Amino acid sequence: EVQLVESGGGLVQPGSPLKLSCAASGFTFSSNWLNWIRQAPGKGLEWVASINPDGSSTYYPDTVKGRFVVSKDNAKNTGYLQMNNLRSEDTAMYYCARTGYGYWGQGVMVTVSS
Amino acid sequence: DIQMTQSPSSLPASLGDRVTITCRASQDIGNYLRWFQQKPGKSPRLMIYGATNLAAGVPSRFSGSRSGSDYSLTISSLESEDMADYYCLQSKESPNTFGAGTKLELK
Repeated sequence: EVQLVESGGGLVQPGSPLKLSCAASGFTFSSNWLNWIRQAPGKGLEWVASINPDGSSTYYPDTVKGRFVVSKDNAKNTGYLQMNNLRSEDTAMYYCARTGYGYWGQGVMVTVSS
Repeated sequence: DIQMTQSPSSLPASLGDRVTITCRASQDIGNYLRWFQQKPGKSPRLMIYGATNLAAGVPSRFSGSRSGSDYSLTISSLESEDMADYYCLQSKESPNTFGAGTKLELK
């Protein structure tokens, strides 16, 4: 069974860093892209980052470029989203999804507030 | 960046209705278009990929179509379990972009 489980969310102050994890199982993680998508409370979906199967290429929208870093450890079947210099507008539920967006995790909440 | 203009934002409908949600792409995206269903408190569920292909386990009353730069999700006969938010996503280019969403609700 394919599973993606996010962790690492919480309440942080503006300007703080936070690192999310996405633990994968039930499929060949090293052959899959990993995507991060977020959803602010009561709002729509926003794509945040993608990384290719071997981790050599990463992609971001302008809203997070230079602050967020996506990575994956294929040996540990785990993906990461390092978020730096967090802002109030980064407050959202963060989801990871694999290649094709056919499987998503349950999401983890990140709240940025003083 | 490619913009996805989704309409309507809200769609009141009755059980048994045929309903259609549309996304218009600002640039050519070929068939790199997916549709998702999201119910309150749940993760999005892939419904359609490649603009017209039904994802595994999705009921056959759902279908996707394309006419030029317009992409549509149609539910042939609305059931109560279909009440949800729906989003389109283009993955032709980075940044991948979602439509703003459509809330499908009972009239």
